[in-house]
Amino acid sequence: ELKVEQNPLFLSMQEGKNYTIYCNYSTTSDRLYWYRQDPGKSLESLFVLLSNGAVKQEGRLMASLDTKARLSTLHITAAVHDLSATYFCAVDPDSNYQLIWGAGTKLIIKP
Amino acid sequence: GAVVSQHPSWVICKSGTSVKIECRSLDFQATTMFWYRQFPKQSLMLMATSNEGSKATYEQGVEKDKFLINHASLTLSTLTVTSAHPEDSSFYICSARDAFPQENPYEQYFGPGTRLTVT
Repeated sequence: ELKVEQNPLFLSMQEGKNYTIYCNYSTTSDRLYWYRQDPGKSLESLFVLLSNGAVKQEGRLMASLDTKARLSTLHITAAVHDLSATYFCAVDPDSNYQLIWGAGTKLIIKP
Repeated sequence: GAVVSQHPSWVICKSGTSVKIECRSLDFQATTMFWYRQFPKQSLMLMATSNEGSKATYEQGVEKDKFLINHASLTLSTLTVTSAHPEDSSFYICSARDAFPQENPYEQYFGPGTRLTVT
């Protein structure tokens, strides 16, 4: 069974701190995606990671991919309140854009 | 950038009625669109893949006769929830792949979602 596991599922942290969200998946996948969702809203694409060792950064967010370990991380540096949201990772094991999603990590950043 | 719209953004209907949700790609052609549902505080579940000009392919456990999908043009896919019941209440999100991507060939673009409440 294909599984995508995120942890933690809930994270409350103070502004200015660093933290990492982990995404493990159970099958090979050429692509891994990170999305952000605000309450009641749709998905905002953050990163698409396509190869082993890929690292992408945008502002305070940095994502990496280790295809051998089947692990991706989303690192938050010096968190700010505006980053509060739910973050999802998703994989595309058959390379057909039919994504398998993690459960999401709800991130709350307190001022 | 690529924009996907959904209509309506929210709808309340009575049990037993049918509801149609539209998904449009506004500035690109989409030969493939996807329909997801999301329960409160849960992840997304792929329901079906909608292909322009052909029948949709449904994920295991999704009732084809209940969730009718039509992809009649390169910019429009519709999801009709037939004989809706309270358990069909959910957030329905569509996404679309650009048939001719100039940038970001691995992306799919998500609509804003439709919140369906069946009373």
